[in-house]
Order: sequence, then structure tokens, then C-alpha cells
Amino acid sequence: GAGVSQSPSNKVTEKGKDVELRCDPISGHTALYWYRQSLGQGLEFLIYFQGNSAPDKSGLPSDRFSAERTGGSVSTLTIQRTQQEDSAVYLCASSFHVGNQPQHFGDGTRLSIL
Amino acid sequence: AQSVSQHNHHVILSEAASLELGCNYSYGGTVNLFWYVQYPGQHLQLLLKYFSGDPLVKGIKGFEAEFIKSKFSFNLRKPSVQWSDTAEYFCASSGGSGNTGKLIFGQGTTLQVKP
Repeated sequence: GAGVSQSPSNKVTEKGKDVELRCDPISGHTALYWYRQSLGQGLEFLIYFQGNSAPDKSGLPSDRFSAERTGGSVSTLTIQRTQQEDSAVYLCASSFHVGNQPQHFGDGTRLSIL
Repeated sequence: AQSVSQHNHHVILSEAASLELGCNYSYGGTVNLFWYVQYPGQHLQLLLKYFSGDPLVKGIKGFEAEFIKSKFSFNLRKPSVQWSDTAEYFCASSGGSGNTGKLIFGQGTTLQVKP
């Protein structure tokens, strides 16, 4: 497809388990962003990548959250020892470059922690 | 730190009514402004964007927004809404020193258009 692809679309897991969320950006887009959408907090920035490096991780809520991007393409967001407050929709977006470029969003992964 | 506020959390209109959704941003430097829309069950889509130039920006589906620097505002307007405009609308900003493009979003406004 031509858009940003995220998987899984839904994930239900037990508290304390680790989860891995995947984002496949639009081909050729060098910038990749992760956001979280939750009822109490709205849409929050988590981390962004320029190529494979992550210059800004300021939005990651705790050290249980990490992300990587390999080959300048696919990115994975990992949450270790999940907590109930991690329940949210995790959105990925990509743009051609960082800066003055509109971002294209995926459908998100709805994460529910039991 | 940048912040964006949307004053209307839930708006209900009848078809053909005019729409204006408020958005204010806090950053005093160079700022890029966006309106995104999320239709039920769909992903966020860009309605329009302002980077520089003409402060009146026209977007898709008949939407427009006006950048008023003195008021730190970027309100979204549409002269006549349709039932299909029912969605959640997000105002967002980016910019500042070493602009990374990361978006700061407002809390969103849910628009319900009654047929």
C-alpha cells in the first residue's frame, strides 16, 4: 500500500508483559514519528527518527519504552512490563524530511492492558 | 514549551450551518500550524497547513483557516457543514529552534453534524 502501515491493529495483553508495535512508513520518507492517543492525555509525541537515529526521545514516558529503526525504514516501539496506564492508541507518522513537511499517519495500534 | 489549546470540545451543528473551531498556540517564534481530521474509524488526515505567506489558508473539503499572529490563533472555518464532516478535529503546531517537525496537538474537538 501507499500509506503508513502499522501492526498489529489491536493488541490485548496482561499487565507485566512486553509488547512490540511495528510501523512501516511510506517508502522514501526519512522522518518517522511515534505518538500516543489516550483519553486523558490526548495526542502526545513520543519519539522521532531521522533515518535510523532518534535525536528526540523526550516524549517517552518512562524507561520501559524504547524504539528503534533499522535500515531507515521499519520502526518498532517496545513497551516492557506493561502497565494499565499504557493502554492507548499508538500512532505512527512519516514525512519526507523532518521540519516543514506534513506528516502522514497510520491507522494506529490499539493497545489494551488487562 | 509549545502548547496548543482548542476551546470547543464538543460542537453540534445542523447541516448547512457555518463552522468555526478555535485554536490558540503558545509559541512566540516561527511556528507551523496544522489542522488534522479523524473521521470515525479512520486515520488522521491533514486538512490544511500554514508555514508562511498568505495567512488565509485553504484546505480540502471546503475548509479554511486564518493565521492571526497577534492573537496566536489559527481558527478553522467552513461556511456550510455537511453530515459527512462529523469527525474529530485536531489543531497542531510544530517549529521552534531546530525544528524537528514533531507535532504538539490540541485536545481535539468533536464535531457532530445533524442531518
